[in-house]
Amino acid sequence: GENVEQHPSTLSVQEGDSAVIKCTYSDSASNYFPWYKQELGKGPQLIIDIRSNVGEKKDQRIAVTLNKTAKHFSLHITETQPEDSAVYFCAASSLSGSARQLTFGSGTQLTVLP
Amino acid sequence: NAGVTQTPKFRVLKTGQSMTLLCAQDMNHEYMYWYRQDPGMGLRLIHYSVGEGTTAKGEVPDGYNVSRLKKQNFLLGLESAAPSQTSVYFCASSQVAGELFFGEGSRLTVL
Repeated sequence: GENVEQHPSTLSVQEGDSAVIKCTYSDSASNYFPWYKQELGKGPQLIIDIRSNVGEKKDQRIAVTLNKTAKHFSLHITETQPEDSAVYFCAASSLSGSARQLTFGSGTQLTVLP
Repeated sequence: NAGVTQTPKFRVLKTGQSMTLLCAQDMNHEYMYWYRQDPGMGLRLIHYSVGEGTTAKGEVPDGYNVSRLKKQNFLLGLESAAPSQTSVYFCASSQVAGELFFGEGSRLTVL
C-alpha cells in the first residue's frame, strides 16, 4: 500500500516569513495529493490539492508543487500570519477504484511567531 | 448548514464495554469514511462506504464495525473496547472523487 512521509514534524517561523512542508510517497499509481489544515479542536479542512498532470498550483499565499519522478510534493505558505498556525497534513491517493482512500502523512505543527 | 456532525464528542469507556459513534451529513454525499487520529501517526482509514447499504474495510478495521442504513448516516461500533482504541475519531463525507469534508471529531478514552 501507499506510504506517505512528512517533514518536518514541527516548524516555527516569524510572521511574514515563508514556510515549506515536504512529503514523499511510495506508490507510483498515486495521482491526487491534497493538503489539509487542522486547527485545534477541529476536523481537517482541505486548503489546496494537486493532480499528477500538474506540476504546481497556487491559491493566494499557498502553493503546492509536485515532482512525480522523485515522488515528492511540497506545500509553500508565503507571508505567514498568526492564523496560519495549525497542524498541516499531506495525503496521497489514487483516483481509481470506488472511493478515495487517502493515505495521510503524520502532520506538521506550524507555529507562526508574531 | 451543519455539514458533518459527530456524536458524542467525548466518551470514556471501560475495557470490554461497547459503544457506537454516529456520523450524520446533510450534503447528500455518496461516500462516507471513518478515520482515527493518533499522535504522530496522521489519520488512518478504518472503514468507508460508497453508498447506502454498503461498507468496506480500510487500513485499520480490526475491532470496529460499521453500518450505513441511511445515506446520511454512518455508524462506527466498538463491540468490546480496548485501551488501544483510545483515539480521536473523525468522520468524513464526499461526493464521488470529490473533496473530503470532516466532522469535528469524537474523543474516545478506553480505561
